[in-house]
Amino acid sequence: EVQLLDSGGNLVQPGGSLRLSCAASGFTFSNYPMSWVRQAPGKGLEWVSAISGSADRTYYADSVKGRFTISRDNSKNTLYLEMNNLRAEDTAVYYCAKEVPDSRGNYLDYWGQGTLVTVSS
Amino acid sequence: SYELTQPLSVSVALGQTARITCGGNNIGSKNVHWYQQKPGQAPVLVIYRDSNRPSGIPERFSGSNSGNTATLTISRAQAGDEADYYCQVWDKTWVFGGGTKLTVL
Repeated sequence: EVQLLDSGGNLVQPGGSLRLSCAASGFTFSNYPMSWVRQAPGKGLEWVSAISGSADRTYYADSVKGRFTISRDNSKNTLYLEMNNLRAEDTAVYYCAKEVPDSRGNYLDYWGQGTLVTVSS
Repeated sequence: SYELTQPLSVSVALGQTARITCGGNNIGSKNVHWYQQKPGQAPVLVIYRDSNRPSGIPERFSGSNSGNTATLTISRAQAGDEADYYCQVWDKTWVFGGGTKLTVL
């Protein structure tokens, strides 16, 4: 059974930093690209970042480029999101999700339970 | 940038058919995927590649995609189908629709 366990969310001040983790099990982690998707309170889904299975390629939404860094440790089956210079508008539930590669565009077949990041003074 | 347009809300009577649309320029040329999100829960994939159901998703859920509109159809709607539904495509980046709140009356 595929499981994704998000953790690391917390209350942080504007300008602060936080690292999110996502522990994966039930599939060959290194074979799949992974993404982070966030959802601000009462809002819709927003893709944040993605990383290839071998970690040689990373992608970011314009809203987080230069502030967030995605990484993975395939030996630990864990995905990370390092978030720096956090802003109030980064407040959201952050979900990790497993991607299904598709020549016409990937999709997300499994999601973590989410972890809440609150940026406030 | 590519945009997806969904109605904010759709209502359906218990046992009837609900249709949730997702509009986009020539969306019929893209793969459309649909996610269901119940309150306080993570999204769940219910339709992928326009019309395919993952294992465990009831046959009552179906999808179609043509022209400028993709549609998620939920037959014999149940109270447990009440949720937010999001469409998603790939257009040089990940694109999500704004979401539709389905109410079962």
